Amino acid sequence: ELKVEQNPLFLSMQEGKNYTIYCNYSTTSDRLYWYRQDPGKSLESLFVLLSNGAVKQEGRLMASLDTKARLSTLHITAAVHDLSATYFCAVDLYGGATNKLIFGTGTLLAVQP
Amino acid sequence: DAEITQSPRHKITETGRQVTLACHQTWNHNNMFWYRQDLGHGLRLIHYSYGVQDTNKGEVSDGYSVSRSNTEDLPLTLESAASSQTSVYFCASSESLEGTQYFGPGTRLLVL
Repeated sequence: ELKVEQNPLFLSMQEGKNYTIYCNYSTTSDRLYWYRQDPGKSLESLFVLLSNGAVKQEGRLMASLDTKARLSTLHITAAVHDLSATYFCAVDLYGGATNKLIFGTGTLLAVQP
Repeated sequence: DAEITQSPRHKITETGRQVTLACHQTWNHNNMFWYRQDLGHGLRLIHYSYGVQDTNKGEVSDGYSVSRSNTEDLPLTLESAASSQTSVYFCASSESLEGTQYFGPGTRLLVL
């Protein structure tokens, strides 16, 4: 059974600081997705990582994928309040292109002024 | 603009009633998905479809059914609603099996 674990589950950080969210998964997969969810809202796609060593960056967020370690990271640089949200990683269930996603439980990020 | 919509946005029903949640997308995507979101569980896949007349069970499909009669719609039916099905339901679609999924606004369902 594929398990996707995120840590930390809750992260309170100050504006201007850097931090990393980790996403570990239990079976082989080279497809990983990151989403953002604001309170009471839908999910918004952030990154699609489709191969080992993939790195994507958008603004203050950078995501990477290490398929050998079964680990993805979402790095936040110089956090700002607007980044406060819940971040989810998701892994393709069978490791290949099925688009059947198993989600982590999410990381609630609160950026304090 | 192309979009994905869900209706109703909020629903209160009673135990034992049949409930259908609608999902409609205008992107012409072949792949469509239903998830439920509960505290502590993230999102869990209920059913999915790769095209017209194709439906498949996800990890939490018991008590739910879907049908796909056209590309645009994937309605989710709760055959006999139970209190354990109180949740937020999200529909999503994708263009390719590697691509990102685009999520609808969600339906909050309360089963009393």
